[in-house]
Amino acid sequence: DIVMTQSPDSLTVSLGERATINCRSSQSVFHTSNKKNYLAWYQQKPGQPPNLLFYWASTRESGVPDRFSGSGSGTDFTLTINSLQAEDVAVYYCQQYYSTPPTFGQGTKVEIK
Amino acid sequence: QVQLVQSGAEVKKPGASVKVSCKASDYTFSNDGISWVRQAPGQGLEWMGWISADNGHTDYAERFQGRVTMTTDTSTSTVYMDLRSLTSDDTAVYYCARGTVAHRRIFDSWGQGTLVIVSS
Repeated sequence: DIVMTQSPDSLTVSLGERATINCRSSQSVFHTSNKKNYLAWYQQKPGQPPNLLFYWASTRESGVPDRFSGSGSGTDFTLTINSLQAEDVAVYYCQQYYSTPPTFGQGTKVEIK
Repeated sequence: QVQLVQSGAEVKKPGASVKVSCKASDYTFSNDGISWVRQAPGQGLEWMGWISADNGHTDYAERFQGRVTMTTDTSTSTVYMDLRSLTSDDTAVYYCARGTVAHRRIFDSWGQGTLVIVSS
């Protein structure tokens, strides 16, 4: 199975500042045939199911604010939240779907300073 | 708006089985597959398997092989997940999630979750 490792486990950011979450996969999730990275990001708020933010590493899901961005390729990926808002407090997960089983990172908890 | 509505919380004894349902609405059920993902208390997300809503074809995670069965009832647009030989390690919130057109393992709609507690 591909192991997904996120860093940090938690971070505290002031309102309006930038939050950066990293995700590393134990093997490349870049598919050379279609030049796509098989990597998704989810946001999970307390008591709620996860919510899809990005897929193909950087394709924003409909309705996701543009202060969120996804980047990276191969084994290293980043989720960036520019100008953090109070409603962004959540746990964020990366997920690879390059191979079965799809696997998730351990999560990164984002809090307000 | 796609909706996935799951059955209610369950409390089971070790060794028992649990069957969780996931009823889909507001989309063409047979076009997509449904995955089951669980989350132990305070823990991350774990994919358990997938079922085609169209033909019932399944793909289970290796660690659940032999212990999980996923079925579908197209007449009611409902998918079921049956987990047997429960232990305390199976205490978790169980989610059904729909795969997207882009890829069946990108999950764009989720059920509200079903809490399963395994306790003697």
